[in-house]
Amino acid sequence: EAAVTQSPRSKVAVTGGKVTLSCHQTNNHDYMYWYRQDTGHGLRLIHYSYVADSTEKGDIPDGYKASRPSQENFSLILELASLSQTAVYFCASSDWGVQYFGPGTRLTVL
Amino acid sequence: GEQVEQRPPHLSVREGDSAIIICTYTDSATAYFSWYKQEAGAGLQLLMSVLSNVDRKEEQGLTVLLNKKDKRLSLNLTAAHPGDSAVYFCAVSYNNAGAKLTFGGGTRLTVRP
Repeated sequence: EAAVTQSPRSKVAVTGGKVTLSCHQTNNHDYMYWYRQDTGHGLRLIHYSYVADSTEKGDIPDGYKASRPSQENFSLILELASLSQTAVYFCASSDWGVQYFGPGTRLTVL
Repeated sequence: GEQVEQRPPHLSVREGDSAIIICTYTDSATAYFSWYKQEAGAGLQLLMSVLSNVDRKEEQGLTVLLNKKDKRLSLNLTAAHPGDSAVYFCAVSYNNAGAKLTFGGGTRLTVRP
């Protein structure tokens, strides 16, 4: 079965601090994605990657960086966390049209 | 770009009744259609996906209908039970490797005993 894991599952950060969210997949998928979900809303794409050492901007990339050091790992980096980045973050991997999601990371920025 | 509208945003049904959720999309080139379920505090679980050459697909009490002419996708939960209570999302994409998903806004389904 496809497996996408995320760490940490929850995090509290201070405004202006650096936050790194990690994602690991064992699906052998080339594509990986980072989304954010705000309370009561759908998912919005932040960054994605189709190959190791390369990342692409999604629909809302401002304030976020991404890193894909290997096929299995994809990180989301908030260099200067802000209050508006409080949300739940989901990672996903895909092979063809269908995406498989991790359990999410709840980030609270104070 | 592609836009997806999902309705209703909230749906409450009695146990044993049917629940129908509808999404409409704008891009006729859209070719891959999926439904996801999100339970409280959890990630998105893939329920079912269909390609554009499929009009109807049924699996385990779920029916997906695709009307390409009207650009409408629906999910029908027959005989809903309380365990079906969750938020449901439709998602559409082009049919190519790594295609980006465009999500509907979600429907919060409550199934009353």
